[in-house]
Amino acid sequence: DSGVTQTPKHLITATGQRVTLRCSPRSGDLSVYWYQQSLDQGLQFLIQYYNGEERAKGNILERFSAQQFPDLHSELNLSSLELGDSALYFCASSVTPNTGELFFGEGSRLTVL
Amino acid sequence: AQTVTQSQPEMSVQEAETVTLSCTYDTSENNYYLFWYKQPPSRQMILVIRQEAYKQQNATENRFSVNFQKAAKSFSLKISDSQLGDTAMYFCAFMKRSAGGTSYGKLTFGQGTILTVHP
Repeated sequence: DSGVTQTPKHLITATGQRVTLRCSPRSGDLSVYWYQQSLDQGLQFLIQYYNGEERAKGNILERFSAQQFPDLHSELNLSSLELGDSALYFCASSVTPNTGELFFGEGSRLTVL
Repeated sequence: AQTVTQSQPEMSVQEAETVTLSCTYDTSENNYYLFWYKQPPSRQMILVIRQEAYKQQNATENRFSVNFQKAAKSFSLKISDSQLGDTAMYFCAFMKRSAGGTSYGKLTFGQGTILTVHP
């Protein structure tokens, strides 16, 4: 158990809908990262937050947004969902961005029908 | 931009034997981290080993060791005394380390190698 908690574990929804994925980092970790894993794109970095502020952005679509709250949990919002958004979404956390060592949650499996 | 290439989609090994997974990367950076992550069927990503590019000594974690060849941009993982629990997909990953030591956490992953350990 990495200490990173993601909910929900599985989610099935329809095209055009909006979903929110939630992540609670390890106790004491200030950095939260979101990654997407799909069969065609592999594992891709989406976005990173540190102590509530956005620090780095990757290949995150405009339909997607994220935030980190004062209690350090984070949410990834996916809207106007398309079939191609079906993927495993991982949250990871670390104490600071300096360590290079990330602890991953079990992921949220999103299926868009 | 950095790229990470794992040329072996699948590998298999007998229990107790040794196996080596290959990884090459391309970058113009001089200061970075390299990682091997394991993703078992439970799907959680687990850090296996980490190498800092400025360290010449190869990292070792119990049965896992790396062969880091910076000039060749090669970073292979050796698993000794393979166990059934080592069955998983293994990902090689790269992270840039900025001059100030802040890495921002952007991991660039390879496509993965599925390793099966047979009894």
